[in-house]
Amino acid sequence: EPEVTQTPSHQVTQMGQEVILRCVPISNHLYFYWYRQILGQKVEFLVSFYNNEISEKSEIFDDQFSVERPDGSNFTLKIRSTKLEDSAMYFCASQAGTSTGELFFGEGSRLTVL
Amino acid sequence: AQKVTQAQTEISVVEKEDVTLDCVYETRDTTYYLFWYKQPPSGELVFLIRRNSFDEQNEISGRYSWNFQKSTSSFNFTITASQVVDSAVYFCALSEARGAAGNKLTFGGGTRVLVKP
Repeated sequence: EPEVTQTPSHQVTQMGQEVILRCVPISNHLYFYWYRQILGQKVEFLVSFYNNEISEKSEIFDDQFSVERPDGSNFTLKIRSTKLEDSAMYFCASQAGTSTGELFFGEGSRLTVL
Repeated sequence: AQKVTQAQTEISVVEKEDVTLDCVYETRDTTYYLFWYKQPPSGELVFLIRRNSFDEQNEISGRYSWNFQKSTSSFNFTITASQVVDSAVYFCALSEARGAAGNKLTFGGGTRVLVKP
């Protein structure tokens, strides 16, 4: 069964460092998302991506964040200068189309900022 | 704006008891989707069930069943004959179809279910 894969599963970084989280969505899916879950809290929407551009972003997704799909398969989330409060589990999701509404999530990348 | 509320933060049951998780949502759209996801201790999000706003028929799938009532904006989820492996955090989520913007999911705060042997 096709699945969304994310790397790394866990990354520890120093405050102020750049971090790139990688995702390989399900082949032929058209919509891509990043969500974040701070430990013990709800899952929050960060950004959606369609047709090679951001279609929507939340207030959390400020100038420190960026996304791209450089080679048609990977979908990356970059945090330019990490802060302590960026420590969270980051989930990538992909979606075939909007008719069914179902998003398929990866297993998440845990980011720890020291 | 859409909103999902899960009033129960934690439920503890003994194995084989039934567990019902409450979910109340708010949306202005007439077409939307409701989901339940399970997050086991390992952290991944596991899709459980989906319901479309135009289909209020309630169903049973194995030990899972759900009760969707548009009149009260509720989408409750029941695990029948709970097992220890059902211990997890369960999230209710709402999605509105917005064309090219995709289906942004709004999650509730989650309900932690602890099934004791």
